Amino acid sequence: QKEVEQNSGPLSVPEGAIASLNCTYSDRGSQSFFWYRQYSGKSPELIMFIYSNGDKEDGRFTAQLNKASQYVSLLIRDSQPSDSATYLCAVNIGTGGYNKLIFGAGTRLAVHP
Amino acid sequence: AAGVIQSPRHLIKEKRETATLKCYPIPRHDTVYWYQQGPGQDPQFLISFYEKMQSDKGSIPDRFSAQQFSDYHSELNMSSLELGDSALYFCASSSLAGGLLEQYFGPGTRLTVT
Repeated sequence: QKEVEQNSGPLSVPEGAIASLNCTYSDRGSQSFFWYRQYSGKSPELIMFIYSNGDKEDGRFTAQLNKASQYVSLLIRDSQPSDSATYLCAVNIGTGGYNKLIFGAGTRLAVHP
Repeated sequence: AAGVIQSPRHLIKEKRETATLKCYPIPRHDTVYWYQQGPGQDPQFLISFYEKMQSDKGSIPDRFSAQQFSDYHSELNMSSLELGDSALYFCASSSLAGGLLEQYFGPGTRLTVT
């Protein structure tokens, strides 16, 4: 079992809809959680991070964290075709505070007009 | 805003050759991380440096070595290259001393081993 699990998709949503991306992790000691967007052949781009239980909103993006359930999600409101990409969930595995990231396999999102 | 700089962006090498990848972190960032991403895979952590000292080590082959210099740039040295080393290599940086855990990725170096 991977330390960070994501549904590989593709997740297909119509333009203007809400896209919901989910991620579970195995290490209960994890404290920091990140969502990266990656276009094909490009580098991961940080779009959201969350450290506390609950919701965190930034523009069209909302990250949700439930540490008891070891679950983190990303909601994208008013999805646009330009949001079509692979979304990587990453969990900080910190030893002594040095914080390497463990990534999930990524969920491919396709937003169709 | 200044971003992470990586060079070269593309590199073609033959088997058993050596390669050196360079990474220049965001100004005032003190920590550098190296990741390898194979085709269709997620990024895999290789190694990290904090304040010029190795801070963590992941699935980095013994053929690879890395260091961080006094100006905080980092170099990943790869020897005896194998076909399986063909991948995207990303460098990321963060400011741990500044309490910032978020890692920002550079554009990557695409290494092709023939």
